[in-house]
Amino acid sequence: DGGITQSPKYLFRKEGQNVTLSCEQNLNHDAMYWYRQDPGQGLRLIYYSQIVNDFQKGDIAEGYSVSREKKESFPLTVTSAQKNPTAFYLCASSIWREGLDEQFFGPGTRLTVL
Amino acid sequence: GEDVEQSLFLSVREGDSSVINCTYTDSSSTYLYWYKQEPGAGLQLLTYIFSNMDMKQDQRLTVLLNKKDKHLSLRIADTQTGDSAIYFCAESIDRGSTLGRLYFGRGTQLTVWP
Repeated sequence: DGGITQSPKYLFRKEGQNVTLSCEQNLNHDAMYWYRQDPGQGLRLIYYSQIVNDFQKGDIAEGYSVSREKKESFPLTVTSAQKNPTAFYLCASSIWREGLDEQFFGPGTRLTVL
Repeated sequence: GEDVEQSLFLSVREGDSSVINCTYTDSSSTYLYWYKQEPGAGLQLLTYIFSNMDMKQDQRLTVLLNKKDKHLSLRIADTQTGDSAIYFCAESIDRGSTLGRLYFGRGTQLTVWP
């Protein structure tokens, strides 16, 4: 079964700690994305990557970092510099062609800072 | 920046039609999308429409696009309690060889009453 997996589903972190969220896809998609979702605010783009070893900042990249060493994997690190990290994090991948960006989403990770 | 607006809430009775509305600002949108999010889950693509079309129908779903007014709507016929979810409108803009990205609205919470 092809798809996107995110782990863990729930994550608790103490203030001041870095934490890494996993995202893996076996859809052979080139592009991958990380979004943050807060109640009533919709989805905000953190980082995105078009190809291995390349990524761009989205709208709210401060306090986050990513890597793209393999096509299948796009982990997101939430650093201690992120002022308000408690949120629902969604990873997506897509095939982008001639303006059509059909994004497939993982099930999400809910991060809570204690 | 690109701006996608949606009303936040809609309530309907089971069996009625639901109409969720969306407005966008960028006239160079290439595709417009409707995603569905059930509680605690990722987003699922419901349908999309190319910007030079004005209507697309897929079973119970009808998408209407008024490009002049930059208005998009999603009609769900014979709405069921299982349709209760958050519905997101999104647009993509073809920037040639540069990877595009999606711009999401805040989402409309649809509640279906039995």
